[in-house]
Formats: sequence, structure tokens, C-alpha cells
Amino acid sequence: AQSVAQPEDQVNVAEGNPLTVKCTYSVSGNPYLFWYVQYPNRGLQFLLKYITGDNLVKGSYGFEAEFNKSQTSFHLKKPSALVSDSALYFCAVRGALSGYSTLTFGKGTMLLVSP
Amino acid sequence: EAGVTQFPSHSVIEKGQTVTLRCDPISGHDNLYWYRRVMGKEIKFLLHFVKESKQDESGMPNNRFLAERTGGTYSTLKVQPAELEDSGVYFCASSPRVGESSYNEQFFGPGTRLTVL
Repeated sequence: AQSVAQPEDQVNVAEGNPLTVKCTYSVSGNPYLFWYVQYPNRGLQFLLKYITGDNLVKGSYGFEAEFNKSQTSFHLKKPSALVSDSALYFCAVRGALSGYSTLTFGKGTMLLVSP
Repeated sequence: EAGVTQFPSHSVIEKGQTVTLRCDPISGHDNLYWYRRVMGKEIKFLLHFVKESKQDESGMPNNRFLAERTGGTYSTLKVQPAELEDSGVYFCASSPRVGESSYNEQFFGPGTRLTVL
């Protein structure tokens, strides 16, 4: 089966500090990995993706994520958090089981950045 | 470029009633997906259209759910009759079918929040 785990329901960080939102996955074949963010009353916005190549991928709003094949992880990071980063973050994967078509999501992690 | 739009944004209905959700994908996007998020749970795949054809409907919960995409443009998702457990946020997403489609991110709409009382 194909699955994504986001072990933290909520992450709290002070503005200006680095942040990490964790994601691990289980998939057949090579994974295609994605991060999306949902702001209140908005749809999911694409942040970044890993398909192949460099394990460190950079995305929108200063976010980056590191693909670690041995640990089956794809943690989202940002060097310096902003209050405006507060939102719900979803990790997702595409794998061979879904024909690399549909996304399997984690439960989401609420990020709260305090001033 | 207009994004994915969904209508209505909210719907509150009684158990046993019928509701139809609509999704307008980004113009020119052949792939259209429906997903659902029940409160506090994962976002779950429902089905995938390529143009007007159902490519994968393995995520549809039961035969009370009917999705259509006539003409390969907008899509509707009908729930008839609605049950309490159908409550949740229904997301639509689209992506282009250019190059290697599996590399492309999906663009999501704002979702329809459905409440069944």
C-alpha cells in the first residue's frame, strides 16, 4: 500500500527561527513527492516537488525540502519562519501503485508561527 | 490565468437529500481529479478524469456518488442520497497533460464544504 505519515499534528515555532515539518512515506518504486499548503478558507497551494535529481529541492516562499531515500523522508524546512507561514501543510506522494497519477496525502500538520 | 473553481463553497443538506458539486478546471487541463477530506483525516482520492473519460474511480466510496465530465470541461459530483458520513471538504484539482504528466503538480480548487445533517 502507498501511504504518507506526518507525525506531528501541530508544530509551533517563533518567528525568525528555523522550522521543520516532518514527512515519511511508503511507496512502491521511485516516489514522486509533493508539499502543499492550505491557508484558511483557501484551496491547496503547491509548494514544491521532488521527482528526480538533487535531493534538496527549493520551492515557493523560501521553503525547501530534502529527499532522503534511506529514511524514506521528505521533511519540509525553512531557515527563518514568518508569522504569515502559519497554515496547514500537507505532504503527498505518487507511486507505482497509483500509476504515478493520483496523490496520496498525509493527515496534515498545522504550523503556528508566533510573533 | 484563472485557477480551479468550485461551486458551491458550502452546502448544508439533510440526510437523504441530493447535492451536486461542480468543478471548473483550469482551461486546457485534460486531467481532473476529485478528492475528499473528512474532518481531521487525510485527503483521500476519489476519482480521475482524462478529458471526459474516467481513468480511475477506485476511490469512490459507493454507488451513491456519481461523477461526470461531459465534453471534457467542467465536472460534477453528485451525492444521492446523502448520508451523515459524506460530510467533509471536497476538493477538485486539475493538471495539464503535457510532457510527463506524472511529473506535473496538480492545481487545487478552494473546495466545497459539505455538511449532512
